[in-house]
Amino acid sequence: SQTIHQWPATLVQPVGSPLSLECTVEGTSNPNLYWYRQAAGRGLQLLFYSVGIGQISSEVPQNLSASRPQDRQFILSSKKLLLSDSGFYLCAWSGRDRPYEQYFGPGTRLTVT
Amino acid sequence: KQEVTQIPAALSVPEGENLVLNCSFTDSAIYNLQWFRQDPGKGLTSLLLIQSSQREQTSGRLNASLDKSSGRSTLYIAASQPGDSATYLCAVRLRSQRGTASKLTFGTGTRLQVTL
Repeated sequence: SQTIHQWPATLVQPVGSPLSLECTVEGTSNPNLYWYRQAAGRGLQLLFYSVGIGQISSEVPQNLSASRPQDRQFILSSKKLLLSDSGFYLCAWSGRDRPYEQYFGPGTRLTVT
Repeated sequence: KQEVTQIPAALSVPEGENLVLNCSFTDSAIYNLQWFRQDPGKGLTSLLLIQSSQREQTSGRLNASLDKSSGRSTLYIAASQPGDSATYLCAVRLRSQRGTASKLTFGTGTRLQVTL
């Protein structure tokens, strides 16, 4: 069976510090991968998606970047965090045979102070 | 631009009641619509997925309907239980985005509390 992991589960970082959130998927190959952010009182917003290694599409201009160094690894980064980067970050994957069904990870709660 | 709205934003019902959650979307050219459940501080769990050609889907005590022409979906929960307490999110995937990557547009959710 497939599983998706995210770490860390929670993170408190000062403004201006760097960020690295990691997402890994097990039990499947060549998945589509997604990063979402859920800010307080707002819906989930798609930040990035990837259809393959090194292939990243950005949905909204922002202070964040994403990378996919391996088939089942998706990383969300920032060089300098802003207060507005606080939120709940969710990683998701979908399979090639059923790309319209997404499965979500447990999420990372990021608080920028 | 697709916009997805969910009402009410919050709902509290006594155990055993039947309830309906609403979702509306502005662009009717959807490929499918999906209902998720999110427990506090957790990720999303898929409940039901309705293809654009379908009118409803059922899973246990849950029934989701889709009226594409009016841009509406409802999630019906029968005989609610305290364990149903969570935030329920609907999300739509546009037909124009059909391909290898599935981009979903989410509503802001309905926070449900089922009391004893």
